[in-house]
Amino acid sequence: NAGVTQTPKFRILKIGQSMTLQCTQDMNHNYMYWYRQDPGMGLKLIYYSVGAGITDKGEVPNGYNVSRSTTEDFPLRLELAAPSQTSVYFCASSYPGTGGAKSYNEQFFGPGTRLTVL
Amino acid sequence: KQEVTQIPAALSVPEGENLVLNCSFTDSAIYNLQWFRQDPGKGLTSLLLIQSSQREQTSGRLNASLDKSSGRSTLYIAASQPGDSATYLCAVRLSYNTDKLIFGTGTRLQVFP
Repeated sequence: NAGVTQTPKFRILKIGQSMTLQCTQDMNHNYMYWYRQDPGMGLKLIYYSVGAGITDKGEVPNGYNVSRSTTEDFPLRLELAAPSQTSVYFCASSYPGTGGAKSYNEQFFGPGTRLTVL
Repeated sequence: KQEVTQIPAALSVPEGENLVLNCSFTDSAIYNLQWFRQDPGKGLTSLLLIQSSQREQTSGRLNASLDKSSGRSTLYIAASQPGDSATYLCAVRLSYNTDKLIFGTGTRLQVFP
């Protein structure tokens, strides 16, 4: 299993440009998430999805959109990039199964996309 | 509103020391708590997950404890090694009905030879 993969690894955008951050998981997880991490801070949830066709807002959704057409993919869209969106973006997935204490609802993370908006 | 705090923000210790990282949360009504490791420029790796009904979890040299009533968790690292150098994050899950995590700001650990 490749786990959770994200592309691109790095990107520089100009103010007002748009882009899509890609996230794919091959673990057949129902739940997927997008987080952003600002320097010296913890992660904040942007959007999440509990299954194909279902998405919901997290703590900091403004300026972003998501879609979930398949179980595997959960792209994050920035329509009008702003300097405040400069951050590292992490995608994660989990399976709300009935496994042992360690596996139950454990979230697995991708390597991140470092985005700079100038 | 649930807030998660980690103290200290940074820690530097010589190799071989036993150390404790702290995680505090303001609302004791959590479903579980997870400790992660983050290496520079990398994603997060899950280390230990403690359900609200548990007191501790162990994995190798790592031991995580949970005291829900006082809103605290500790991550104990025994016989630290330079390879343990990383940022350690804790995160709480609020309830069974949500899979959302609330993260702390992390403790940056450096273990020097």
